[in-house]
Amino acid sequence: DVKVTQSSRYLVKRTGEKVFLECVQDMDHENMFWYRQDPGLGLRLIYFSYDVKMKEKGDIPEGYSVSREKKERFSLILESASTNQTSMYLCASSLRDRETQYFGPGTRLLVL
Amino acid sequence: QKEVEQDPGPLSVPEGAIVSLNCTYSNSAFQYFMWYRQYSRKGPELLMYTYSSGNKEDGRFTAQVDKSSKYISLFIRDSQPSDSATYLCAMTGTSGTYKYIFGTGTRLKVLA
Repeated sequence: DVKVTQSSRYLVKRTGEKVFLECVQDMDHENMFWYRQDPGLGLRLIYFSYDVKMKEKGDIPEGYSVSREKKERFSLILESASTNQTSMYLCASSLRDRETQYFGPGTRLLVL
Repeated sequence: QKEVEQDPGPLSVPEGAIVSLNCTYSNSAFQYFMWYRQYSRKGPELLMYTYSSGNKEDGRFTAQVDKSSKYISLFIRDSQPSDSATYLCAMTGTSGTYKYIFGTGTRLKVLA
């Protein structure tokens, strides 16, 4: 069974704080993704990575950065959290492109 | 126009009913189609994965793809209260992109 874990289920941060969200997958998948999910907007891709140290911007990368130093770990960084980044953040991984994406449980982030 | 359209619901049905969930899409390059189930405050979990046109069955679930109409469906037979969740369709193509496009999800309620 594919397992994707995320470091926190719930997080409360203050405006301006630097926030780290971590994601780990245990199936040696090549690709990893970060999405945010908001009511009525669905899943929006923030960044994805197709190899260690490789990353590509998704649809809404502004205000975010990512790091993939090891194949199994993909981190999302909010450089200076803002209230409009309050959302559900979902990490996913896939073996290769066009293969099924497997999701983590999500992190609910509240920025005050 | 969105690339993928999905009726948000909510769709309420009695226990035991056959449920039909649908997505339409505009990009004829999409070849891989997925259905995910998402319980409240959890990450999406994969239900079905299909390639190109045709039907695929797994237990009470049947996925159907009609590429000529750019229309995909998920049927749930003998629906149960435990099927109450949001159902997301997702798709991706064969051209050189890692991008998956998700529908916004249909909320289903199965009433006991």
